[in-house]
Amino acid sequence: NAGVTQTPKFQVLKTGQSMTLQCAQDMNHNSMYWYRQDPGMGLRLIYYSASEGTTDKGEVPNGYNVSRLNKREFSLRLESAAPSQTSVYFCASFSGGDKRLLETQYFGPGTRLLVL
Amino acid sequence: QKEVEQNSGPLSVPEGAIASLNCTYSDRGSQSFFWYRQYSGKSPELIMFIYSNGDKEDGRFTAQLNKASQYVSLLIRDSQPSDSATYLCAVKKGGSNYKLTFGKGTLLTVNP
Repeated sequence: NAGVTQTPKFQVLKTGQSMTLQCAQDMNHNSMYWYRQDPGMGLRLIYYSASEGTTDKGEVPNGYNVSRLNKREFSLRLESAAPSQTSVYFCASFSGGDKRLLETQYFGPGTRLLVL
Repeated sequence: QKEVEQNSGPLSVPEGAIASLNCTYSDRGSQSFFWYRQYSGKSPELIMFIYSNGDKEDGRFTAQLNKASQYVSLLIRDSQPSDSATYLCAVKKGGSNYKLTFGKGTLLTVNP
């Protein structure tokens, strides 16, 4: 199992350009997440999808859109990139439900984005 | 008050010592508490989770939870240089089955 995969690993954009970050998981998890991590700010939730067909805003959704394409895939789109979106983006998944032993979020390797 | 607070560090301990990492949270309804380790340039990985008051031990790691005081801690015994990383505390609030709130993390350095 590959776990959670993300593409691309690195990206440089110019202000105003658009791009889509891809995330896929092969653990049959219900819930998927997008976080950004900035120095001194910790992990901040951008959007999440509790289950296939649903998406909800997190703490910092402005400037982003998401698509839960199917159970495996959850993409994050920047429609018009801004320098403030320079960050490391992590996708995560977890099985959800009430089974506490399964309450573990697994993280992808991250995408490092620089917006000039 | 921030939802999840951690000392940013850096916390520096000598090899073989006990490292103590602390986290406080604001929502009394929080149900689940997690410690993640993140090496520089890598993604977070789960070390431990705890739900009930008291201690939970796993190898060299012990998580402690005190819901009355709203804090959770992580003790690392016999610290090794390989333990040098940022440790993230995360909390799942009551009623939120799907979202974790993370602290900003504490940078731990274990000196040989």
